[in-house]
Amino acid sequence: GEDVEQSLFLSVREGDSSVINCTYTDSSSTYLYWYKQEPGAGLQLLTYIFSNMDMKQDQRLTVLLNKKDKHLSLRIADTQTGDSAIYFCAGVAAGNMLTFGGGTRLMVKP
Amino acid sequence: NAGVTQTPKFQVLKTGQSMTLQCAQDMNHNSMYWYRQDPGMGLRLIYYSASEGTTDKGEVPNGYNVSRLNKREFSLRLESAAPSQTSVYFCASSDGFLGQPQHFGDGTRLSIL
Repeated sequence: GEDVEQSLFLSVREGDSSVINCTYTDSSSTYLYWYKQEPGAGLQLLTYIFSNMDMKQDQRLTVLLNKKDKHLSLRIADTQTGDSAIYFCAGVAAGNMLTFGGGTRLMVKP
Repeated sequence: NAGVTQTPKFQVLKTGQSMTLQCAQDMNHNSMYWYRQDPGMGLRLIYYSASEGTTDKGEVPNGYNVSRLNKREFSLRLESAAPSQTSVYFCASSDGFLGQPQHFGDGTRLSIL
């Protein structure tokens, strides 16, 4: 099945760009997702990218997909303290199940 | 605009007690899911219901049962709770089943002593 891996922690200063990385194993994944989880809340869908795309931009968010290396990244421009949260990437495995990475905790320092 | 609503938000149980977690969605979605979230392990799928009237096991179904009561509601039952089931439980729904975006509730924090 699909394995999705992320680094555990990222710390940036307010105003800098954040880049959260994700690797996956199933090259047949048709959709790849980024979710955000704030403390005490559920997961909120941030953005997603189809596997036939290399890049998707949505306001401060840029998703880059490198299919050859099975690498997905989420760039947050002008990171704000409100962006502090856990970010999950997820891919679609065989059987159309979403498989989530373990999450990257983003800390934004003022 | 409620989305996915889970009840209760918090619960403490003793080992061996039973409990049903409730989930309802108002988005007319066909598919619904139950996950558990443990520290450092992301989300793991317990059970899912691709459409009304069907349920299937996910990655970690042991110790749980589910009921898709109608299109809106999908409940998760622990028949005999164990400390290993202490976790945060999330319900989610999606319009279709083919890897489409899932919408999550705020979770139920369950502690089993």
